[in-house]
Amino acid sequence: EAEVAQSPRYKITEKSQAVAFWCDPISGHATLYWYRQILGQGPELLVQFQDESVVDDSQLPKDRFSAERLKGVDSTLKIQPAELGDSAMYLCASSATSGTSEQYFGPGTRLTVT
Amino acid sequence: AQSVTQPDIHITVSEGASLELRCNYSYGATPYLFWYVQSPGQGLQLLLKYFSGDTLVQGIKGFEAEFKRSQSSFNLRKPSVHWSDAAEYFCAVASGSSASKIIFGSGTRLSIRP
Repeated sequence: EAEVAQSPRYKITEKSQAVAFWCDPISGHATLYWYRQILGQGPELLVQFQDESVVDDSQLPKDRFSAERLKGVDSTLKIQPAELGDSAMYLCASSATSGTSEQYFGPGTRLTVT
Repeated sequence: AQSVTQPDIHITVSEGASLELRCNYSYGATPYLFWYVQSPGQGLQLLLKYFSGDTLVQGIKGFEAEFKRSQSSFNLRKPSVHWSDAAEYFCAVASGSSASKIIFGSGTRLSIRP
């Protein structure tokens, strides 16, 4: 069964450093999402891509976060500089289309900022 | 604005007992509703969803949920839990015009007593 791949699974970084996460969606899925899940809370959408275009980044802290999906396939989420409050699980999901199509989630990247 | 409330942070039930996890939503129109499960260290898996039609929805792993518009609720039920059901459960709502933007509740952690 096809799955959403994410790497790394765990990342420890010092504050003010740069960090990047990678996501490879299920093959053929046009829509890709990045979520942040703080411990004890539900996931919160950071950015949504339709193919290579951003369709929603209203919750993305653009002063330090950036996301790209250059060829409309895999995607990278970057934080620079990292802050203590960025410690969280970063989840990637993909769906065949936007709208009511089911979102499939990857295992996530657990980020710890020290 | 849409919102989801899961009033129970943590529930413990005995193996073989019945389960009901509560979820209340706030949304003006007919919502799209979801229940996801997250096992430790893993991404989210969709258990079931309600878009329209029959208000009693059957999902995977023996779960079901009932949409009650008058109570703004979408409670998750299972007649007999198994030890493997121990996980975090998230209720979520999406708007009709942009159903890809999902708002998650804060989750309910389910523990199973042997």
